[in-house]
Amino acid sequence: GAGVSQSPSNKVTEKGKDVELRCDPISGHTALYWYRQSLGQGLEFLIYFQGNSAPDKSGLPSDRFSAERTGGSVSTLTIQRTQQEDSAVYLCASSLQLAGGPEQFFGPGTRLTVL
Amino acid sequence: AQSVTQLDSQVPVFEEAPVELRCNYSSSVSVYLFWYVQYPNQGLQLLLKYLSGSTLVESINGFEAEFNKSQTSFHLRKPSVHISDTAEYFCAVLDSNYQLIWGAGTKLIIKP
Repeated sequence: GAGVSQSPSNKVTEKGKDVELRCDPISGHTALYWYRQSLGQGLEFLIYFQGNSAPDKSGLPSDRFSAERTGGSVSTLTIQRTQQEDSAVYLCASSLQLAGGPEQFFGPGTRLTVL
Repeated sequence: AQSVTQLDSQVPVFEEAPVELRCNYSSSVSVYLFWYVQYPNQGLQLLLKYLSGSTLVESINGFEAEFNKSQTSFHLRKPSVHISDTAEYFCAVLDSNYQLIWGAGTKLIIKP
């Protein structure tokens, strides 16, 4: 079936504007993750959704960042009042976990550039 | 807290030479280990994984990794690299909350 998809693939915005990044996980995957990858750096965990449980927001860098997952499927990551340091590639991943195996499947990412 | 250390940020190697990318982890729980690869301008792809069973795991493109519990390592090896192996390689361990703890990545640079 289809893999994880993310939109837009590229987003250029001005400092201070809000942006929304979308993730469509693999159908049936119960877990969904958001990561940030800044230039030349590794992955930084942002937030994790698992089924109907409360999300683990421990990785969100500030209160300007929020995410929701509607109907246990599509997720939106929102960054308010963007800053230049928010420029990065935002990656979404999903997994089945438990019986399905713990490996995460990644989308192609959204490259965010804040001018 | 669990952590993953990739000691080398870059590894340059000549084409057709062998390579080892090092990964050490700290974990107090059952260990699930992964290597992901990120080719230039592409997303992350699972290269291989250790969940249980044989400590030597292999990928379809000639890479292998060995889980060594006593040394808490999961080094990635390939006996002969190609230009197409140029990529960044990330080691990760799954924690008790089913979250991946990531290493900082190692850039594999193939010299012709």
